[in-house]
Amino acid sequence: DTGVSQNPRHKITKRGQNVTFRCDPISEHNRLYWYRQTLGQGPEFLTYFQNEAQLEKSRLLSDRFSAERPKGSFSTLEIQRTEQGDSAMYLCASSPRRGVDNSPLHFGNGTRLTVT
Amino acid sequence: AQTVTQSQPEMSVQEAETVTLSCTYDTSESNYYLFWYKQPPSRQMILVIRQEAYKQQNATENRFSVNFQKAAKSFSLKISDSQLGDTAMYFCAFMRGTGANNLFFGTGTRLTVIP
Repeated sequence: DTGVSQNPRHKITKRGQNVTFRCDPISEHNRLYWYRQTLGQGPEFLTYFQNEAQLEKSRLLSDRFSAERPKGSFSTLEIQRTEQGDSAMYLCASSPRRGVDNSPLHFGNGTRLTVT
Repeated sequence: AQTVTQSQPEMSVQEAETVTLSCTYDTSESNYYLFWYKQPPSRQMILVIRQEAYKQQNATENRFSVNFQKAAKSFSLKISDSQLGDTAMYFCAFMRGTGANNLFFGTGTRLTVIP
């Protein structure tokens, strides 16, 4: 169990640019989640995948945001035309299918995005 | 909709003492799970303890225990014999009993353990 891996750890970009983050979940986990966390707040749910299917999206996920998990393994989160309000920590988490240990989510270290 | 409320933005405790962090939640679900996560300054969220709503017995994990009051929708975390490594943000979280095991988080409590 190597844990959930996220890259990059930090990203600084200029407003209007596109950014893409990557998440590698724990290998046997088929569920993958993206959260956003702003300073001093708890994580807010963005979207959820079961294998390669994106099953749930939050209203927070505007049309500038897109997430993919093409082969049911790693996932990418892309933000187009970034805005200063997108500055946050983006957390990825994974879990096994429900019923297996009813395991809670395992989180990565996150990608901190700063939009200047 | 589920909401999780943590009314204590910051708390401090002397090393070796006991501290209790509060959490209340609101849901119409009958089957659910509750969690406490710890987020140290390194930022990775780590599970501290979890409670199944259908279990009446309060969960314990070493120095960590919960007081789960289902009727009151209260789920507090007690940390005994506080250690410097307990300094972190603590988040209370709710998970529905069916469907996606997505977590709904509170706003967190920043705990500082004072030497």
